[in-house]
Amino acid sequence: QQQVKQSPQSLIVQKGGISIINCAYENTAFDYFPWYQQFPGKGPALLIAIRPDVSEKKEGRFTISFNKSAKQFSLHIMDSQPGDSATYFCAASTGGYQKVTFGIGTKLQVIP
Amino acid sequence: GAGVSQTPSNKVTEKGKYVELRCDPISGHTALYWYRQSLGQGPEFLIYFQGTGAADDSGLPNDRFFAVRPEGSVSTLKIQRTERGDSAVYLCASSSQGTGNTIYFGEGSWLTVV
Repeated sequence: QQQVKQSPQSLIVQKGGISIINCAYENTAFDYFPWYQQFPGKGPALLIAIRPDVSEKKEGRFTISFNKSAKQFSLHIMDSQPGDSATYFCAASTGGYQKVTFGIGTKLQVIP
Repeated sequence: GAGVSQTPSNKVTEKGKYVELRCDPISGHTALYWYRQSLGQGPEFLIYFQGTGAADDSGLPNDRFFAVRPEGSVSTLKIQRTERGDSAVYLCASSSQGTGNTIYFGEGSWLTVV
């Protein structure tokens, strides 16, 4: 039972383009939605996170958009760079508790 | 070291053998987590320690899996009678006490059961 559904599973974007990854969740008790970035052979690293009381959060080239009524959230990477090539995971947790439920991941490739 | 340290980085074992995976969290972090990541999947929660006690072990798949953290720092994940389906990367993470704090993952221990 996949509580956090993520799409697409792979994405190819040209350098300078916008990368968009979408996620949907089922458990309305989730109240913390982080995104993680993982490079091959490394552990996931927190990229950006949002709580459901805001609809958007931006940090540099990375923006999370959150739609509480639709139970959906997305990651936008502006001006995508080859160095952004990695696997991205959306995730969710409850009550600030760090038992995190991850999506399946999106493998992003940014081509020059 | 500054980050979460996991050993071994790679382990190949035969089906039916016993395996121990070690995690050394970031100094001062009271919360420690084990996750399992199968190929092409996101990490799956296994167990969470707050201090020495397992606060939530609901993710352990069966009684062949066990984890300890006797002194509230280093943790060991123990797998008995390994099966080929146990092959995965076992990720350890830690965070400081309090809600909403960032958890930091180690690079993982890649377990292959042959």
